[in-house]
Order: sequence, then structure tokens, then C-alpha cells
Amino acid sequence: DAMVIQNPRYQVTQFGKPVTLSCSQTLNHNVMYWYQQKSSQAPKLLFHYYDKDFNNEADTPDNFQSRRPNTSFCFLDIRSPGLGDAAMYLCATSRVYSSADTQYFGPGTRLTVL
Amino acid sequence: AQSVTQPDIHITVSEGASLELRCNYSYGATPYLFWYVQSPGQGLQLLLKYFSGDTLVQGIKGFEAEFKRSQSSFNLRKPSVHWSDAAEYFCAVANQAGTALIFGKGTTLSVSS
Repeated sequence: DAMVIQNPRYQVTQFGKPVTLSCSQTLNHNVMYWYQQKSSQAPKLLFHYYDKDFNNEADTPDNFQSRRPNTSFCFLDIRSPGLGDAAMYLCATSRVYSSADTQYFGPGTRLTVL
Repeated sequence: AQSVTQPDIHITVSEGASLELRCNYSYGATPYLFWYVQSPGQGLQLLLKYFSGDTLVQGIKGFEAEFKRSQSSFNLRKPSVHWSDAAEYFCAVANQAGTALIFGKGTTLSVSS
């Protein structure tokens, strides 16, 4: 029944060691989003894919990149994680690229940076 | 710039009591407004949304919200809280381009027996 799946649920990495977070969806939605949610803060949009078109938010650090090899999968790559990148990372999907359309969220991956 | 404020960081309500979670937004035109719930270990789930029309919006799980333009508010209510409602609640507004959600910092709801 799972619609948006994120793996792993918990990820521990070392300072500066590249890490990849995974998101997959069974909804066949065109749009996939990555949000960063730090402790006691609001989720913040990092970027999104509309089909194969990648859109970066203006204030997303260069350290964060994303790949979408097909409709179902989207990856978040953190090239050199810093302590400040410790957060919950949420993947979401929507059928169309409009905030009027419901976004479906995965359970998140909690990233710890040592 | 659009913003969302949830004044209450943490609220505790007795089971069976009524609930109101506050949300204030900053937006120039008629906003798209949303309430999401995040249960422990789960992703965010949409409770309800407002785009236009009737200012009282019904959602899932017995929740409702009322849009008040004069107060720039979109408060979430439930007449009788159940223990399973304990979660974090996020209010959100769509950005001007209508392409992204701007979330508030959330309100954690605890339910006491």
C-alpha cells in the first residue's frame, strides 16, 4: 500500500563523506520534491523534478544535488555533508506541478552527521 | 514574501476535549492554505485545504478549518480529540507562483487521558 517510500529511514554518515538518500513512488506522479526539515523547524523545499526537468530553489546549497533516473525514483546526493546538514529529509510527489495539487509525502530519512 | 506563523509550539489537550490550532499567514492575494499532520515515524498527510469558496473547510479525521481573511488566519479545529490525534501539525501556504508550499514551524499536539 505504500505510495512514497524512502530508504533508508535512518542514515548515519561522517563529516565530509558523500551520502545518497533514496525515494521511490508507486503513484506514477510527474513531480517529485525533496524537503529538508531541521529539528523544530518547518520543512524547506530544496528542489523538485517535473518529469525530467530539474528545478533548484535559489537558496539550496551546491552541496545538495538530485537525480531522477525514471518516473519512480529520485535520489538526493549530499556531496560533502556538514554537521549543519543533519536533518530529516522528506520526499514528496504530486501529479502536476501546482501547489493546488495534493503532495504525498514519504516517511522521511533522518540523517545524522558525525 | 509569504510566511506562515503557528504561535503554539506545543499544546496538550485532554482526550474528548475540543481542539483549536492557530495559524496566521502573510500573503497579498487570496491564499491557498493547507493543514498537514505528521504522526511519529510517518510522512506528512494532508488534512484539508482551502482555495476559495466556503470559508469553513472540512477535512479528514473529523478536522475542519476556517479561513478568516480579516484576521489572516486559518485555524484548525476538532470538536473531540482522540489519543490517536497526538502528532505534529503543520500549516502551509502556497507561494505566489503557486508551485511550492511554505510551511509553518508546526505545533506538537499531546493528548492526555
